[in-house]
Amino acid sequence: QKEVEQDPGPLSVPEGAIVSLNCTYSNSAFQYFMWYRQYSRKGPELLMYTYSSGNKEDGRFTAQVDKSSKYISLFIRDSQPSDSATYLCAMNRGTSYGKLTFGQGTILTVHP
Amino acid sequence: ETGVTQSPTHLIKTRGQQVTLRCSSQSGHNTVSWYQQALGQGPQFIFQYYREEENGRGNFPPRFSGLQFPNYSSELNVNALELDDSALYLCASSATRDRNTGELFFGEGSRLTVL
Repeated sequence: QKEVEQDPGPLSVPEGAIVSLNCTYSNSAFQYFMWYRQYSRKGPELLMYTYSSGNKEDGRFTAQVDKSSKYISLFIRDSQPSDSATYLCAMNRGTSYGKLTFGQGTILTVHP
Repeated sequence: ETGVTQSPTHLIKTRGQQVTLRCSSQSGHNTVSWYQQALGQGPQFIFQYYREEENGRGNFPPRFSGLQFPNYSSELNVNALELDDSALYLCASSATRDRNTGELFFGEGSRLTVL
């Protein structure tokens, strides 16, 4: 069983839709939770990171962490064609510096 | 502020050969991590370098090795290439102050094809 599970999709939504992306994890040692966005032929870029359970909002993006259920989510409101990318969840134990454990990534397409 | 740069962007090797990939970290960042991303998969941690020493390693065999130089740039070396080594190799840098937040800055990667 993988430490981090993420539905690879693909997910196709119309412009303006609310998108929900999810990951589950098995290792309770994970303390930091991140969402990265990766455009085709590019490296991942950090969208959001959270430390504790709860919600964190940044513009159209909301990250949600539920440590008791070992479940994290990313919500995208008013989705735009420019949001079309692969979204990767990632986690860190907080003691291992640059070692992130990534999910498989979900391919999202937002069509006009 | 320059970002993370990697070279070469693409390369083709044959099985059994050796390859060296290079990375220049973002200005002010002294920690470099390397990741392997197979097609359709998330990146997998190979190892990390901090102050020129390996500081954490993932589940990769010893034929994957690296270096970090005094200017914080880094190399990834892979010996005895296998077909399964075909992947996008990503370099990421971070500043020491962000070491617990997972805030890594990635380059665009080096795409390696092994024939």
